[in-house]
Amino acid sequence: QLQLQESGPGLVKPSETLSLTCTVSGGSISSSSFYWGWIRQPPGKGLEWIGSIYYSGNTYYNPSLKSRVTISVDTSKNQLSLKMSSVTAADTAVYYCARRTYGSGFDYWGQGTQVSVSS
Amino acid sequence: DIVVTQSPLSLPVTPGEPASISCRSSQTLLHSNGYNYLDWYLQRPGQSPQLLIYLGSNRASGVPDRFSGSGSGTDFTLKISRVEAEDVGVYYCLQALQTLPLTFGGGTRLEIK
Repeated sequence: QLQLQESGPGLVKPSETLSLTCTVSGGSISSSSFYWGWIRQPPGKGLEWIGSIYYSGNTYYNPSLKSRVTISVDTSKNQLSLKMSSVTAADTAVYYCARRTYGSGFDYWGQGTQVSVSS
Repeated sequence: DIVVTQSPLSLPVTPGEPASISCRSSQTLLHSNGYNYLDWYLQRPGQSPQLLIYLGSNRASGVPDRFSGSGSGTDFTLKISRVEAEDVGVYYCLQALQTLPLTFGGGTRLEIK
């Protein structure tokens, strides 16, 4: 059974860089059948797509966040990572990693990790 | 950006009764390949979202057949034939035709009367 587990600091100071890791177990992160994404959910609000990374290594970011976001994959560790620079309180959210299968949807999600931005 | 609008915001339902949620997009989600790139997700309280429906009308693995998706182009509907207590949560639609950006609807909260 595929499992995704997000990890990272729960508290980040304003203007600093948020760094999260998603560890994939029970399957390979390197497959042309899937791609991977990060989605976030501010407290009490809806879901926002942050960006995705494809098997080819191509990345797509939400234009509203593009200048601050980097998504990458470490195939040797079977991990997905998210870096978001210059964070503000508006970046406080639960951050999810998820797998999207071609021809389907985001079919596997991590449990999410809470990140708060505060001094 | 493709804007996705859900209604209603809140949906109180008596167990055993049907429920229906609407999702409308600002642009067609119908690809030239004939598929509608719209997903439905359920986020139960305190849990991660789970995929219910993909490509507008295909149930994901393990999803009960009381859930069904329909629609094409810009108008889509998620129907639950007989609501059960475990169906409580927030339902989201997601358009996946336009990759930049993928956009979710604002959510519909289903509660039991």
